[in-house]
Amino acid sequence: AQRVTQPEKLLSVFKGAPVELKCNYSYSGSPELFWYVQYSRQRLQLLLRHISRESIKGFTADLNKGETSFHLKKPFAQEEDSAMYYCALREYSSASKIIFGSGTRLSIRP
Amino acid sequence: EAGVTQFPSHSVIEKGQTVTLRCDPISGHDNLYWYRRVMGKEIKFLLHFVKESKQDESGMPNNRFLAERTGGTYSTLKVQPAELEDSGVYFCASSLAGVYNEQFFGPGTRLTVL
Repeated sequence: AQRVTQPEKLLSVFKGAPVELKCNYSYSGSPELFWYVQYSRQRLQLLLRHISRESIKGFTADLNKGETSFHLKKPFAQEEDSAMYYCALREYSSASKIIFGSGTRLSIRP
Repeated sequence: EAGVTQFPSHSVIEKGQTVTLRCDPISGHDNLYWYRRVMGKEIKFLLHFVKESKQDESGMPNNRFLAERTGGTYSTLKVQPAELEDSGVYFCASSLAGVYNEQFFGPGTRLTVL
């Protein structure tokens, strides 16, 4: 079954510390992986997608097919990174529905 | 340009009543999606329109939910009759024609069924 697992509901780190939000997935085909972010009182928005292989707001994520993981990382956390982060996937073939993980709330302490 | 808009932002109804949620996609977006997040659970796909046609409605929970997209523009999601477990946040998203385009999300409608 298609599934995205985010093991941490809440992650709290100090400003300037490294951040890693974990994401594992199970999927039999060839998925496209994403990270979405929802800041307080804002709508859900795309942060990055694995096919772009780019860094957005200092965040990067590498798709590891062997470990079926797509962890989100940032070397130095900033207070404005506090938000809800969702790992997600969709299949290339139909590219309709997005399957979301349960989300991780990231809190950056000053 | 305005993004995806949803109305109302909040709705509180009693069990057994009917509620209709509306989504206006970004102009020119053929694809329209409905998702919902029930309390404590992940965001789940409900259905996908391409213009006015339902492309995938595999996520619709039961026949109390009816989605329409008149003329391929805005969409409505009606819940009739509403049950307690329908409470949650209902999101709409839209994207350009084609399968690899980014989905842009609306702010969501928070539905509370008492």
